[in-house]
Amino acid sequence: NAGVTQTPKFQVLKTGQSMTLQCAQDMNHEYMSWYRQDPGMGLRLIHYSVGAGITDQGEVPNGYNVSRSTTEDFPLRLLSAAPSQTSVYFCASSYSIANSPLHFGNGTRLTVT
Amino acid sequence: AQSVTQLGSHVSVSEGALVLLRCNYSSSVPPYLFWYVQYPNQGLQLLLKYTSAATLVKGINGFEAEFKKSETSFHLTKPSAHMSDAAEYFCAVSDEAGGGNKLTFGTGTQLKVEL
Repeated sequence: NAGVTQTPKFQVLKTGQSMTLQCAQDMNHEYMSWYRQDPGMGLRLIHYSVGAGITDQGEVPNGYNVSRSTTEDFPLRLLSAAPSQTSVYFCASSYSIANSPLHFGNGTRLTVT
Repeated sequence: AQSVTQLGSHVSVSEGALVLLRCNYSSSVPPYLFWYVQYPNQGLQLLLKYTSAATLVKGINGFEAEFKKSETSFHLTKPSAHMSDAAEYFCAVSDEAGGGNKLTFGTGTQLKVEL
């Protein structure tokens, strides 16, 4: 089992560019989510999805879009990158019950110059 | 909204000493609580979770945590630290609103283990 796979591992963007961070899971999890990790701030929820076709905003959604066309994939789109979006991004998935632990990918380190 | 507070962004212990990482939560209902560990350049891995079955929860790598409702705490302990325990540790609480498994994380505690 691959678990949760994120690509790319590293990315450098210029301000104003757009890009998509990919996330795929092979565990048939209903729930998928995106977090960003910044020093001293822990992980903050950007967007999440409880199933194909259903997405919702988390704590810090501005500047990001998501869609969920399949159970396996949950891409995160940066529409117009800003330096404030420099961060490490983690995708996570789980079964859709509250005590089900999240399974994390290894992260994408994004730098916006 | 639920929240967690981790006291101490950095904790340093000697190898073989007790590890104590503190976590306090805020919740209006009985929460689901988790501890995760993050090694450098990796994602987070589950250490243990509390789901109301027992107040003392045992996890992987010799870690355990005790749920104390009266203190709204879920502190993580390990009797004897090993060099391999050096990592960042995150406490998290589950928010059932909206369905699924939305976790709210603390700001993390970096554990350093010294010889």
